[in-house]
Parts: sequence; structure tokens; C-alpha cells
Amino acid sequence: AQSVTQLDSHVSVSEGTPVLLRCNYSSSYSPSLFWYVQHPNKGLQLLLKYTSAATLVKGINGFEAEFKKSETSFHLTKPSAHMSDAAEYFCVVTFFSGYSTLTFGKGTMLLVSP
Amino acid sequence: DGGITQSPKYLFRKEGQNVTLSCEQNLNHDAMYWYRQDPGQGLRLIYYSQIVNDFQKGDIAEGYSVSREKKESFPLTVTSAQKNPTAFYLCASSLTLVGGDYGYTFGSGTRLTVV
Repeated sequence: AQSVTQLDSHVSVSEGTPVLLRCNYSSSYSPSLFWYVQHPNKGLQLLLKYTSAATLVKGINGFEAEFKKSETSFHLTKPSAHMSDAAEYFCVVTFFSGYSTLTFGKGTMLLVSP
Repeated sequence: DGGITQSPKYLFRKEGQNVTLSCEQNLNHDAMYWYRQDPGQGLRLIYYSQIVNDFQKGDIAEGYSVSREKKESFPLTVTSAQKNPTAFYLCASSLTLVGGDYGYTFGSGTRLTVV
């Protein structure tokens, strides 16, 4: 079985300050992990993915995430928030091999103030 | 450009009616999925299909039906048996159902409202 927990439903930051969105996962097998972003009334866009290669993964728009097996975490970070980063972010887990669908966290809404 | 097209963007349904949401992809992906999104609940899997003429129930399939007659198309019917159909529906596809680094490509969604 696999599951993912996003620890914060909302995160508020000021423009120019760092962003940290927290995610913990549970997976019986080697996981693949993803972060997706969703702007209002839009589909989801892939930010980055971890698939058992480098543990520090760089994605689009300056985001990155670090896979920490010992902590079963995959937190998303960005050094400096922009207003355009305001959106909902989803942490997602699946198995690295074998048949599997994606399991989504409940999402974290990122609010960016001027 | 390749992608997924969902239509309509907004849909209103009267109670007791069936409605069908369209999903078309030109990515040549084998696997397709339907998710339902409600505020604070993330995405929940309704149905998925690995290949043409085959589909499987997801976590919340009751009140929904699908078909997969063509590789490109995976329509979702919300039947009158679905007790609370008002939600945002997202269609997605992936190269294959097998895990790995194949992320999903998502459509832009259909917002269904029961009136």
C-alpha cells in the first residue's frame, strides 16, 4: 500500500522569502515521487520527479525537492517566492516498478503576499 | 502540440440526469485516468484504463461509468446514481500503467455542477 501526507493545508509566505512545502510518504516498495502544481480551475502541471536516481531533484521555476529515505520525506523548496507561485501543490507517490496508479496528497495551498 | 483535451469546461446537470464528460489525447499514451477533485480532498481515482477495451474501477467508481473504444478517447459518464456529483473532474494519461518515471499529463478539467 502507498500513501502520502502533506503536513500543511496552507502555507503563507512573503514575496522573496523561502518556500517549504512538506510531504511524507509511505510505500511498501521503491517509490517514485512527484510534485505537481495546480493554478485555479486548471489541470495539474508536473514540477519535478524522483525515480531512484539523484536524491536532490531540481524542477521547473526554481523549485527543488530532496528525497530522504530515512525520514520518508520529499519536501519541496524554493529559495525565493514569486507572486506567480501562488497555487495549490500536490505531492504524489507511486511504485517505481510494476503496475501502479498515482496516489495524491490532499494538497497544500501556497499563498504569496507582496 | 500533443496534449489532453477535456470538454466542456463547465457543465450543469439537473438532478436525475446522466451526463458525459469528454477526454481526448493525442499523445499516443496507452493509459488513461479519471480523477475527481473536491476542496481539501486532493484527487481521488474514479476509473483507469490500461489499454483499449479494458478499464478498472478506482477508489470511488460508484455512480460513474466509462468506455475505452479508441486509444485516444476515454469518456466518463456521471450517472443519476452518483449522489454528490458536483466536483472538478480531471482526465489524465501516461505512456503506460507500469510505474517508473512516467508522470501523468493532465487535461484542464471539467467543472460539473448539479442544479
